[in-house]
Amino acid sequence: AQSVTQLDSHVSVSEGTPVLLRCNYSSSYSPSLFWYVQHPNKGLQLLLKYTSAATLVKGINGFEAEFKKSETSFHLTKPSAHMSDAAEYFCVVSEPAGNKLTFGGGTRVLVKP
Amino acid sequence: EAGVTQSPTHLIKTRGQQATLRCSPISGHTSVYWYQQALGLGLQFLLWYDEGEERNRGNFPPRFSGRQFPNYSSELNVNALELEDSALYLCASSLLRQGPYEQYFGPGTRLTVT
Repeated sequence: AQSVTQLDSHVSVSEGTPVLLRCNYSSSYSPSLFWYVQHPNKGLQLLLKYTSAATLVKGINGFEAEFKKSETSFHLTKPSAHMSDAAEYFCVVSEPAGNKLTFGGGTRVLVKP
Repeated sequence: EAGVTQSPTHLIKTRGQQATLRCSPISGHTSVYWYQQALGLGLQFLLWYDEGEERNRGNFPPRFSGRQFPNYSSELNVNALELEDSALYLCASSLLRQGPYEQYFGPGTRLTVT
């Protein structure tokens, strides 16, 4: 069985300051991990993916995430928040065959001017 | 490259009716997935179709069903609608032969049951 816990349901940051979204996972397998973003009334967009090739993963729009096996964590960061980053972010773990995604509860990000 | 498309955008039904939602995957993708995003319940896996067969389903009653057509598009049917079926239904597609199997999502169909 696999599960994902996003430690913060809401995060508020000021524009230009760093963003940190925390995610812990549990998996019986060597996991595939993803971060998706959902803007209001939109579908989900893939931000980045962990493929076991490198523990520090760079994604789109300046986001990156670090896989730490010892801590079973996959936290998402961005050095400088932009107003357009206001959205809901989902940490996701995939079964090895990729046929089922398990989503975290989501973190809603508010960016203040 | 066209993304995953879903229709209709919005659907309003009354309790007890049937709803049909449609999804067209990215060209070349053979797998289609359905998810339900209900208020307060988060995103939950519903169904997975690949090569026309149902491969896996989540913890949903049998009144949630679907199929995948030879062109890989898919249909989700929800019978005997209940008020708690009101949700955003997301479809995703992927190419299983290309790891790590990231799924690409459509914009969703918002189903409202009154």
